[in-house]
Amino acid sequence: DSGVTQTPKHLITATGQRVTLRCSPRSGDLSVYWYQQSLDQGLQFLIQYYNGEERAKGNILERFSAQQFPDLHSELNLSSLELGDSALYFCASSFRLAGATGELFFGEGSRLTVL
Amino acid sequence: EDQVTQSPEALRLQEGESSSLNCSYTVSGLRGLFWYRQDPGKGPEFLFTLYSAGEEKEKERLKATLTKKESFLHITAPKPEYSATYLCAPSGGYQKVTFGIGTKLQVIP
Repeated sequence: DSGVTQTPKHLITATGQRVTLRCSPRSGDLSVYWYQQSLDQGLQFLIQYYNGEERAKGNILERFSAQQFPDLHSELNLSSLELGDSALYFCASSFRLAGATGELFFGEGSRLTVL
Repeated sequence: EDQVTQSPEALRLQEGESSSLNCSYTVSGLRGLFWYRQDPGKGPEFLFTLYSAGEEKEKERLKATLTKKESFLHITAPKPEYSATYLCAPSGGYQKVTFGIGTKLQVIP
């Protein structure tokens, strides 16, 4: 158990809908990262927050947004969903910025299926 | 833009058969290179960090090495429980860790 909690574990929805994925980082971790993993593309970095502030953006679509709250939990909002958004969405956390040590603690992921 | 290529994409070994996985990277100002293990349907699990060329790290039957352009993950006499996808992730800065697609390793008893 990494200590990172993601909900929901599974989500099935229709195209055009909006969903929110939630992540609680390990106790004491200040950084939260969101990654998307689909079969043919591996882990794609979406966005990173550090102590409530956005610190880095990857290939995150404009239809997606995220935030980190004062209690350090984070939410990833996906809107106007398309079939291609079906993927595993992982949240990871670290105490410091990841590039310093590379040690990210990943949650079990949220599997999103868009029909 | 940071780039990372892992090879082979898939590898099937007999139990006890040693081999190496390759990670080639292009990163401006490498801060560190990280290896992770991922089991099906699970989040990746951190294995190693390598900071500079020539550095080696070992953990049980795994040894990671680093050069200026590549990293290798050597697996010595693996057991079936070593079956997983191994991910390489170079980092050029403190904000972003870029993951390769991985090598899917299957160890057959």
